[in-house]
Amino acid sequence: DGGITQSPKYLFRKEGQNVTLSCEQNLNHDAMYWYRQDPGQGLRLIYYSQIVNDFQKGDIAEGYSVSREKKESFPLTVTSAQKNPTAFYLCASSRRSTGDVDTGELFFGEGSRLTVL
Amino acid sequence: GESVGLHLPTLSVQEGDNSIINCAYSNSASDYFIWYKQESGKGPQFIIDIRSNMDKRQGQRVTVLLNKTVKHLSLQIAATQPGDSAVYFCAERSAGGTSYGKLTFGQGTILTVHP
Repeated sequence: DGGITQSPKYLFRKEGQNVTLSCEQNLNHDAMYWYRQDPGQGLRLIYYSQIVNDFQKGDIAEGYSVSREKKESFPLTVTSAQKNPTAFYLCASSRRSTGDVDTGELFFGEGSRLTVL
Repeated sequence: GESVGLHLPTLSVQEGDNSIINCAYSNSASDYFIWYKQESGKGPQFIIDIRSNMDKRQGQRVTVLLNKTVKHLSLQIAATQPGDSAVYFCAERSAGGTSYGKLTFGQGTILTVHP
């Protein structure tokens, strides 16, 4: 079945360590996104990529890095520079709009919960 | 409506009742709106969307209403079921930007359905 797969589902990190969260999609979507979700809050955009080998900072990119070497994959690295990394991280993808077909609908993965010890 | 701080708005209903979840958006230039449902520990799932040239759109058991005058969006769920219990988010997309789904999300409303 088509979808978005995030791994790991749970991750524990010591302070000062970098960690990488995986996101893979087989929906043939051009655009991919990383969001951060904190308790009681909405989703905040970290990074997004509209096409392979290109990505843009979102609203809270500091302390994070991404790469988009393949259409299917958009890994997120949480670096030691991120001061408060404990959160639920969500990866999403969407189709590129073509002609009259235009949707902003995002398809989300199941999320990765990162806890800093 | 939208929450302040860390306390999400909550809505408790009895099974079979109709539910109305509200969302106030901030950008009058937004041209597209989506409602998502998020169950505990999972990613959000698409429920229904509406474009700014529409006032109402109906799906299966759900209706979205858009009032651009007061920048208000609502989600109506008919005959609410226990499986509808979740956090519901509205999202808006600003017109003039890309069409690749770069959305701004509200803080969410917790819906609890009692049997």
